[in-house]
Amino acid sequence: GNSVTQMEGPVTLSEEAFLTINCTYTATGYPSLFWYVQYPGEGLQLLLKATKADDKGSNKGFEATYRKETTSFHLEKGSVQVSDSAVYFCALGSGNTGKLIFGQGTTLQVKP
Amino acid sequence: DAGVIQSPRHEVTEMGQEVTLRCKPISGHDYLFWYRQTMMRGLELLIYFNNNVPIDDSGMPEDRFSAKMPNASFSTLKIQPSEPRDSAVYFCASRGPGQGSNSPLHFGNGTRLTVT
Repeated sequence: GNSVTQMEGPVTLSEEAFLTINCTYTATGYPSLFWYVQYPGEGLQLLLKATKADDKGSNKGFEATYRKETTSFHLEKGSVQVSDSAVYFCALGSGNTGKLIFGQGTTLQVKP
Repeated sequence: DAGVIQSPRHEVTEMGQEVTLRCKPISGHDYLFWYRQTMMRGLELLIYFNNNVPIDDSGMPEDRFSAKMPNASFSTLKIQPSEPRDSAVYFCASRGPGQGSNSPLHFGNGTRLTVT
């Protein structure tokens, strides 16, 4: 069945460091891929998405490219800020069922 | 534009008691999802509705859990009787019509349930 695997956290970085959070997926067909972010005490918010192979989603300095050949959707940011500290979830859209399948989440902590 | 509204934000109850969690989706959205989040299991889909009809409840852990959506603007998740292992954050999310799973979910801020 469809599944999403994220790198385990927590990830601890200094401010202005480069961020990569790995995400790989297993799916039939051509699912849409998403990154969601969860700040403390809040629900998940959509960060970015890509709906087909080679699409690049971007938002707030974060980027992720839909790589069909490697079944990956890694999240990157060139220079993280303390305010980026949160839990990041990779998700896969299951077209036939209308539901999202989430990875286990990766906690990012950015230190000043 | 009000987002998904969940109540209560926090619920503390004793084992054996009935618990009801409430959700108001975004107006016009036709999909509603209930998720549970724990440290051990991450984010689990419990059940989802389309146009107020339950589509997939395979994630509901056991018969103690039930969910209803009597109309397009309200849903409940009930646990009866509650147990300590039900302690978690429960999220409701909704999605608008048209794009299926290509469109994003909008999450509420969750209900933190503690069963003692």
